[in-house]
Amino acid sequence: EAQVTQNPRYLITVTGKKLTVTCSQNMNHEYMSWYRQDPGLGLRQIYYSMNVEVTDKGDVPEGYKVSRKEKRNFPLILESPSPNQTSLYFCASSPTLLAGDSYEQYFGPGTRLTVT
Amino acid sequence: KNQVEQSPQSLIILEGKNCTLQCNYTVSPFSNLRWYKQDTGRGPVSLTIMTFSENTKSNRRYTATLDADTKQSSLHITASQLSDSASYICVVFGDYKLSFGAGTTVTVRA
Repeated sequence: EAQVTQNPRYLITVTGKKLTVTCSQNMNHEYMSWYRQDPGLGLRQIYYSMNVEVTDKGDVPEGYKVSRKEKRNFPLILESPSPNQTSLYFCASSPTLLAGDSYEQYFGPGTRLTVT
Repeated sequence: KNQVEQSPQSLIILEGKNCTLQCNYTVSPFSNLRWYKQDTGRGPVSLTIMTFSENTKSNRRYTATLDADTKQSSLHITASQLSDSASYICVVFGDYKLSFGAGTTVTVRA
């Protein structure tokens, strides 16, 4: 089954304790992206990757890191989480994201993170 | 700054009725516009993708329209069902970037 998986689905942690949220897709997609979703603000892009070893900042990258060492995986790293990073996080993938493309983006099930 | 604005923020309709959601954008250059449905606690799922040359596109009971001149889109839900209760997100792709609206929350009541 074609899908985007995220782990963990739920996480409660404390301020300053490094954590990683994994994201994996089995569709051989080149484009992958991380979003956070907060009430009233909609989805905001954190980082994206056009292909392996190519990553770039989205709209809200502060406090986050990513890596894209292989096509299928795109982990999100919080080196020192803070309470303002409490949010619902989504990973997404798409075959590409070039001008003129109309490929849909496939979203993972989400990771609800609480930082106390 | 590229922006996508959706209205209304939320609405409640009775099962079997129709409703229309609006999306206005300022994204330029424009590549395509997407509507997503997001059930509570789940990831968004694509409903339609429309390019500059497409005025209308349907997916079952969902019909999206696009006016690229006025930079407006609408999503019409026909004969609503309880399962249509969700958030509907308008996303515009342009300048190699996706711009997201805040969404419209639709509640369908029996």
